[in-house]
Amino acid sequence: EAGVAQSPRYKIIEKRQSVAFWCNPISGHATLYWYQQILGQGPKLLIQFQNNGVVDDSQLPKDRFSAERLKGVDSTLKIQPAKLEDSAVYLCASSLEVTISQETQYFGPGTRLLVL
Amino acid sequence: RKEVEQDPGPFNVPEGATVAFNCTYSNSASQSFFWYRQDCRKEPKLLMSVYSSGNEDGRFTAQLNRASQYISLLIRDSKLSDSATYLCVVNGGGADGLTFGKGTHLIIQP
Repeated sequence: EAGVAQSPRYKIIEKRQSVAFWCNPISGHATLYWYQQILGQGPKLLIQFQNNGVVDDSQLPKDRFSAERLKGVDSTLKIQPAKLEDSAVYLCASSLEVTISQETQYFGPGTRLLVL
Repeated sequence: RKEVEQDPGPFNVPEGATVAFNCTYSNSASQSFFWYRQDCRKEPKLLMSVYSSGNEDGRFTAQLNRASQYISLLIRDSKLSDSATYLCVVNGGGADGLTFGKGTHLIIQP
């Protein structure tokens, strides 16, 4: 079974530039998550989708971050404009459903972003 | 968003020893609990879910104490390959969905 795919794996940009990350979840997984993991910290949930609807985006900095999952499959996370403090690993995860019994999350390899 | 607290360590443990660490959570209404393992520069992977009655998977035992609001992970007969960061995950439900702790760094020494 193919895992969660993410691209690019690495990205270096200058502050105030824009960047976009792409995620393709495991086939059949209804729930998709985007996390930000700063060095030395645990992943922080940015946004959670159930199919193409948003379940939780309470920690997404909406002035600069946006995400979409238009067809309920793959998803894009965008930062515009980027700040130095956005340097982190952006992890995408998916799970079968958001119900408790099926909420095991499978993570992609992440995108390492460095903002200079 | 409610808090999930872990001792960051590092825990330096000799090979073959038993090691245990806890994770406390502040939301008494939390619904589900997990331990994830994250190797250096890799993505997190599910180690085990934590059930109310406690559960064991080989050398790993997870416990939940709802009264004191903590979960624990016990590793017996530790191996060099157990060296990793162990992340506690709590699902608070609703607006306090999935929250990861900062992780506990474990180093098994030969």
